[in-house]
Amino acid sequence: DAGITQSPRHKVTETGTPVTLRCHQTENHRYMYWYRQDPGHGLRLIHYSYGVKDTDKGEVSDGYSVSRSKTEDFLLTLESATSSQTSVYFCAIMGGRTDTQYFGPGTRLTVL
Amino acid sequence: EDKVVQSPLSLVVHEGDTVTLNCSYEVTNFRSLLWYKQEKKAPTFLFMLTSSGIEKKSGRLSSILDKKELFSILNITATQTGDSAVYLCADYGGSQGNLIFGKGTKLSVKP
Repeated sequence: DAGITQSPRHKVTETGTPVTLRCHQTENHRYMYWYRQDPGHGLRLIHYSYGVKDTDKGEVSDGYSVSRSKTEDFLLTLESATSSQTSVYFCAIMGGRTDTQYFGPGTRLTVL
Repeated sequence: EDKVVQSPLSLVVHEGDTVTLNCSYEVTNFRSLLWYKQEKKAPTFLFMLTSSGIEKKSGRLSSILDKKELFSILNITATQTGDSAVYLCADYGGSQGNLIFGKGTKLSVKP
């Protein structure tokens, strides 16, 4: 295991409510990523971080914000959830001296 | 536009067959190509390829990269039902140098 956990693992919420997903790593890696995975679209990058307080947008960042106040935690926030944000969310870290990204177990989010 | 295209999108074979999965890419600032296996959970890393013509091998799985023709293949020999999964190809590239994923090939291995 790459030492990545995500919480919660499953969540059902209603349109318009705020939602925060947490990614926690024990590897002390600099780079962390948030992806969403949808049928027909594959994995798409939402936001990423290259250090504490250093974040940048990915391909599908609209409607999402992130924060990284500690090396080990990367938070993804949906300020006002919409049904189009129903998806499986994966966190990933980039390990060591290689380009390899390792994925967390995922969070299944349903927005009703 | 940077993109990664995998083919076929789905494939059904019988145990013992050999399969070849394809990944072609068009990315600026190419750096490396990665293969992942995804069962009903998170993607798990298989291979990373950076140099043309050098085969990476792990058991019955192997992969090779052709940087001139911009593609990679993943071979699985003597397939087993446990090989059933979605296989994802991803390239580092583009303006942000992040991973760009293909949509995956769904492999089903029948007993």
